[in-house]
Amino acid sequence: NAGVTQTPKFQVLKTGQSMTLQCAQDMNHEYMSWYRQDPGMGLRLIHYSVGAGITDQGEVPNGYNVSRSTTEDFPLRLLSAAPSQTSVYFCASSYGPAGGVVGYEQYFGPGTRLTVT
Amino acid sequence: GNSVTQMEGPVTLSEEAFLTINCTYTATGYPSLFWYVQYPGEGLQLLLKATKADDKGSNKGFEATYRKETTSFHLEKGSVQVSDSAVYFCALIQRDDMRFGAGTRLTVKP
Repeated sequence: NAGVTQTPKFQVLKTGQSMTLQCAQDMNHEYMSWYRQDPGMGLRLIHYSVGAGITDQGEVPNGYNVSRSTTEDFPLRLLSAAPSQTSVYFCASSYGPAGGVVGYEQYFGPGTRLTVT
Repeated sequence: GNSVTQMEGPVTLSEEAFLTINCTYTATGYPSLFWYVQYPGEGLQLLLKATKADDKGSNKGFEATYRKETTSFHLEKGSVQVSDSAVYFCALIQRDDMRFGAGTRLTVKP
């Protein structure tokens, strides 16, 4: 099992450019999420998906798009990069909902460090 | 809305010292509470969890008790090791709302 993989590990963009951050998991998890991590702010939820074909917005969705055409993949698209999107991006997956009585464990990828100049 | 407030770091301890990292939360109802740990250059890993009031989560010598009356989920370990050096995140999850604290960096010196 590779777990959750993310590509690329590092990326530098110019303001206005677009790109896609890739995320894949091989654990057959239904739930997948994208977070950004900024100094002093912890992780903030961007978008999430509860299954193929279903996505929803998190706390900070503006400037990002997602789609979920397969169970395995959950790409994050930056439409027009801005310096405020400089951050470390983490993808996570879980077998079931992370909240609730069970509280399924989220498995995190190694992250993508994005710099927008 | 829901939120998590976590003790600011960094925290520096000597090996075998007692560790407490404070975490308090704001939420309606009964969220699930988690501690995640991030080692240098890696993603987050689940350390422990508690999904209802008065539950105690424990793992690798770490413990935290879900206290509804004080809205707290403080992380404790009786004797830290150098290998515990990492960033620790408290998290609250209620339905699809996921909130993480800012993280506390712990450094343990031999």
